Amino acid sequence: KQEVTQIPAALSVPEGENLVLNCSFTDSAIYNLQWFRQDPGKGLTSLLLIQSSQREQTSGRLNASLDKSSGRSTLYIAASQPGDSATYLCAVTSGSRLTFGEGTQLTVNP
Amino acid sequence: GAVVSQHPSRVICKSGTSVKIECRSLDFQATTMFWYRQFPKQSLMLMATSNEGSKATYEQGVEKDKFLINHASLTLSTLTVTSAHPEDSSFYICSAQTLDRNQGEQYFGPGTRLTVT
Repeated sequence: KQEVTQIPAALSVPEGENLVLNCSFTDSAIYNLQWFRQDPGKGLTSLLLIQSSQREQTSGRLNASLDKSSGRSTLYIAASQPGDSATYLCAVTSGSRLTFGEGTQLTVNP
Repeated sequence: GAVVSQHPSRVICKSGTSVKIECRSLDFQATTMFWYRQFPKQSLMLMATSNEGSKATYEQGVEKDKFLINHASLTLSTLTVTSAHPEDSSFYICSAQTLDRNQGEQYFGPGTRLTVT
């Protein structure tokens, strides 16, 4: 059974800081890995999707890496802004099943 | 493209009544739809997977007679919570998947907040 773990559970940083969120998964036989953002009381916003054959994806200030063999992914956020405050969820696809981590709650202080 | 809608966005119902939540793929045909539940400060937990025209597959611990799922067309799936109780209060999110786009990526709806009083 696939298990996804995210560290840290919560993170508070001052505005402008670069930060890294971590995600690990137990079964390396994945199809892809996604990072989502969730604002309080809202649905999911897909940020980045990395196929199993890829090592990283970039979108604006976000960069996600994937090391399938070690079962790890990182989400790098450059020059953080208060608007980045949200919960970030990592999810892996095995077959057609998507398994989510518990999320990292990020607070960026002005 | 790849927009998924849910209706209603919020619903309050009395204990013992039933409530139906709709999930629609607006600009693509969904071969598979998924229903998730999220309790406060927790992650999403898969409840069931449904393919158009066939019975849903429920995850262990999810009562199929309580959470009725119908996937009657390639653009619509419904989740009916029957005889709702306060412990069913949660955030319900659906997603839709098509094999024709982005290698089976799931596209998520905005969620439905259910409160059972």
